[in-house]
Amino acid sequence: GENVEQHPSTLSVQEGDSAVIKCTYSDSASNYFPWYKQELGKGPQLIIDIRSNVGEKKDQRIAVTLNKTAKHFSLHITETQPEDSAVYFCAASMNSGGYQKVTFGTGTKLQVIP
Amino acid sequence: DAEITQSPRHKITETGRQVTLACHQTWNHNNMFWYRQDLGHGLRLIHYSYGVQDTNKGEVSDGYSVSRSNTEDLPLTLESAASSQTSVYFCASSNSGGSDTQYFGPGTRLTVL
Repeated sequence: GENVEQHPSTLSVQEGDSAVIKCTYSDSASNYFPWYKQELGKGPQLIIDIRSNVGEKKDQRIAVTLNKTAKHFSLHITETQPEDSAVYFCAASMNSGGYQKVTFGTGTKLQVIP
Repeated sequence: DAEITQSPRHKITETGRQVTLACHQTWNHNNMFWYRQDLGHGLRLIHYSYGVQDTNKGEVSDGYSVSRSNTEDLPLTLESAASSQTSVYFCASSNSGGSDTQYFGPGTRLTVL
């Protein structure tokens, strides 16, 4: 089955700096890669996603890059703000038996220091 | 607005008791999922359903069961609660029409004493 590894497990940055979270996946059949943000006491919320036919996607201060050859994808947050502090999960999704099967990374706890 | 809700939000129970966690979504999604979240393990899939009367086991299904009698609800039952099942449980749903995005509920924190 698919295996998703996520690094680092914790990340501290100064407010205004950039943060980068990296994930690797094992199965080349994965074709959809969402990123979720989980704030304390809440469920994960989708913040950005990318499909395998695209190399990069941006949404304001957030961007995701995908390297299919190397099987890795990354989340980039620029000009970090205290409200970016949360746990971030990457995921890889593939079609399995007509349905999409999603495998999550183990999460990165991001702390933005004011 | 469409949403996904879970109840209760917090539950304390004793070893050996049967516990049912509720999940209700108004997205009209065909797909529903139950995950548990533990430190160091991220989100692990317990059970999932792709439609009414359909249920499937995930990677950590032992000791859990689900039933899907309508589109909106996927209750998760712990047949005989164990201390190892102390965790935060998340329900999610997604549309089978092409979008793979899963929408998560707020979670249920379960403590088994």
